Amino acid sequence: NAGVTQTPKFQVLKTGQSMTLQCAQDMNHNSMYWYRQDPGMGLRLIYYSASEGTTDKGEVPNGYNVSRLNKREFSLRLESAAPSQTSVYFCASSEAGGVNQPQHFGDGTRLSIL
Amino acid sequence: KNQVEQSPQSLIILEGKNCTLQCNYTVSPFSNLRWYKQDTGRGPVSLTIMTFSENTKSNGRYTATLDADTKQSSLHITASQLSDSASYICVVSGMDSSYKLIFGSGTRLLVRP
Repeated sequence: NAGVTQTPKFQVLKTGQSMTLQCAQDMNHNSMYWYRQDPGMGLRLIYYSASEGTTDKGEVPNGYNVSRLNKREFSLRLESAAPSQTSVYFCASSEAGGVNQPQHFGDGTRLSIL
Repeated sequence: KNQVEQSPQSLIILEGKNCTLQCNYTVSPFSNLRWYKQDTGRGPVSLTIMTFSENTKSNGRYTATLDADTKQSSLHITASQLSDSASYICVVSGMDSSYKLIFGSGTRLLVRP
């Protein structure tokens, strides 16, 4: 049972380059999320998708776009990467957004922007 | 501003010993509080979820407590094992949006043999 799978695991970009981080879940969950984790800080929500066909901004959406491709897949795109976007990116999913719905996380994409 | 503060930032204990990690939050109105374990290089894994009406919840050797009046929670680890070495993250959800969780910065625990 794979759970939440993120690709790639590592990536180095140059400032101004673009890339898409991929995320897929096999738990038939309705809700999916993208977070970033920076040293000394808690995870911060970038975007989330409450259900297939919907996306909403989180706490730090600037510089990012998302696509909920289908129920399984939720991608995060950096159109023009900046050094401030160097971080570890986590995708998560949950059955729904309600109480007692744990979020299940992937193992992250470590992104460095030079 | 909604915040979640954890203490200590880091902790070293000997294998077999117990420890308690603390979490204070200012999120209001409050819906639920979660504890996650994050191994190095891995994503967080859920340990417990408590609503405002619950004051304790256990998951094996992990016991979380919640005092919604003082806005404090603790995670107690009993008979620690080397595999408990990880970061432990306190996460709070407000009533305004169950999708938007507020994460603490974590307590890094090292269990030594």
